[in-house]
Amino acid sequence: DAGITQSPRHKVTETGTPVTLRCHQTENHRYMYWYRQDPGHGLRLIHYSYGVKDTDKGEVSDGYSVSRSKTEDFLLTLESATSSQTSVYFCAISEIKYNEQYFGPGTRLTVT
Amino acid sequence: AQSVTQLDSQVPVFEEAPVELRCNYSSSVSVYLFWYVQYPNQGLQLLLKYLSGSTLVKGINGFEAEFNKSQTSFHLRKPSVHISDTAEYFCAVSDFQAGGTSYGKLTFGQGTILTVHP
Repeated sequence: DAGITQSPRHKVTETGTPVTLRCHQTENHRYMYWYRQDPGHGLRLIHYSYGVKDTDKGEVSDGYSVSRSKTEDFLLTLESATSSQTSVYFCAISEIKYNEQYFGPGTRLTVT
Repeated sequence: AQSVTQLDSQVPVFEEAPVELRCNYSSSVSVYLFWYVQYPNQGLQLLLKYLSGSTLVKGINGFEAEFNKSQTSFHLRKPSVHISDTAEYFCAVSDFQAGGTSYGKLTFGQGTILTVHP
């Protein structure tokens, strides 16, 4: 298994509070991704990173920001959580040539 | 822009029967194709991939898939399923530029829930 961990694994928070999810890899892969998974929607890309301090938006980036200060860590921040952001969040990594991505175990976030 | 359609949201099947999970894609450029499996409360695991060469690719757990460029399809098959194959399966596509390097994004289908009954 690829060395990817996510923390926390479960979180319940209230509407309007800030939340930060962490993805940590030990594979030294250049590319990292954040997805959300919702029933009937598959996985949708939120943001991705193609290097330290290099990030770009995905298809559902509104309400989310990311940061990558080290190769191994990719942070996803919800500045002011809303109930629509209740979801399961997955981090993934890849070596870009074929874009074969490896996924972390996920974080289940509930916004009440 | 690329897109992926998984034609069945749920597929029930009896143990030891064959199964096919259907996937169609659209893209204006060449593509790499993937199938992932997700067991309950777990992350996604790569099942198999098509990058180039033979259009029939074999993956883990006895699964295989066939790339059909004219039909823009990448259907997943297994000749005899087991209870342990019960999971959600995702087809994904990544387009690439000349030279083989991907643009860096993977587009997923909506998923197919395979339920294997005894």
